[in-house]
Amino acid sequence: GESVGLHLPTLSVQEGDNSIINCAYSNSASDYFIWYKQESGKGPQFIIDIRSNMDKRQGQRVTVLLNKTVKHLSLQIAATQPGDSAVYFCAENFGAGNKLTFGGGTRVLVKP
Amino acid sequence: NAGVTQTPKFRILKIGQSMTLQCTQDMNHNYMYWYRQDPGMGLKLIYYSVGAGITDKGEVPNGYNVSRSTTEDFPLRLELAAPSQTSVYFCASRLTGAGSGANVLTFGAGSRLTVL
Repeated sequence: GESVGLHLPTLSVQEGDNSIINCAYSNSASDYFIWYKQESGKGPQFIIDIRSNMDKRQGQRVTVLLNKTVKHLSLQIAATQPGDSAVYFCAENFGAGNKLTFGGGTRVLVKP
Repeated sequence: NAGVTQTPKFRILKIGQSMTLQCTQDMNHNYMYWYRQDPGMGLKLIYYSVGAGITDKGEVPNGYNVSRSTTEDFPLRLELAAPSQTSVYFCASRLTGAGSGANVLTFGAGSRLTVL
C-alpha cells in the first residue's frame, strides 16, 4: 500500500550545525505534507507544512523542501540547538478527512 | 484554551478487561482523530470523526469503538483488551477550512496503555 518512510532512523548532529532529515513518500496523489516534532513523553507538535503545489517553504530556522519528481521530502533545521533533540515525523495527506499517514520517525540527537 | 486533553495518562489493564480513553477539545474543532503509537514506530490511525454524530474507521480499527455525541468529546473504547493493544494512544483535532493552519492537527499528550 501507499506509505511514507524515512531514510535515517537516527541522526547525530553537533550543536550549531545544520540538520537535514529526509523522507520518501510513495503516493503521488498526496497533496499536503507536514513535519511534526515529538519530544519524549509528549504528543507530536506541528513544525511546518507544505502543499504539493510548492517546492519550498521556510519557517523560523526550518525549511521544508518537496521534490515531487522523486517523491522526496526533507526538513532542514538551521543552527541545531539542544532543544531540537526529538523524534521527527513526516506525514502525508491524501483524500478527504485529512487522514494523515505518518512515517516511522527519525531521532535527532544534538551533541554539545 | 486547554487544547486537546486526554485521560487517563497511564493505565494498566488485564486481558479481557474494557476501558474508555477520554478525549476532549475546547477549540471548536470539527475533525477529531485517534492514533496509536507503538514503540519506535510512527502513528497509525484508529478512527476519526468529521463532526458530531459521524465516525469512520482508520487504518487499524479492530478492537476499538468510538462515538462522537458532541463536538468537544471523542472517547475511544477498548472492549476485551489484548496485549497487542499495549501502546500509546494520541487524540488529535483540527479545524476545517482554507485558512492558515486549518489542516494542522493538534495532539493531546497521550495515554499510555499496558495490557497484561
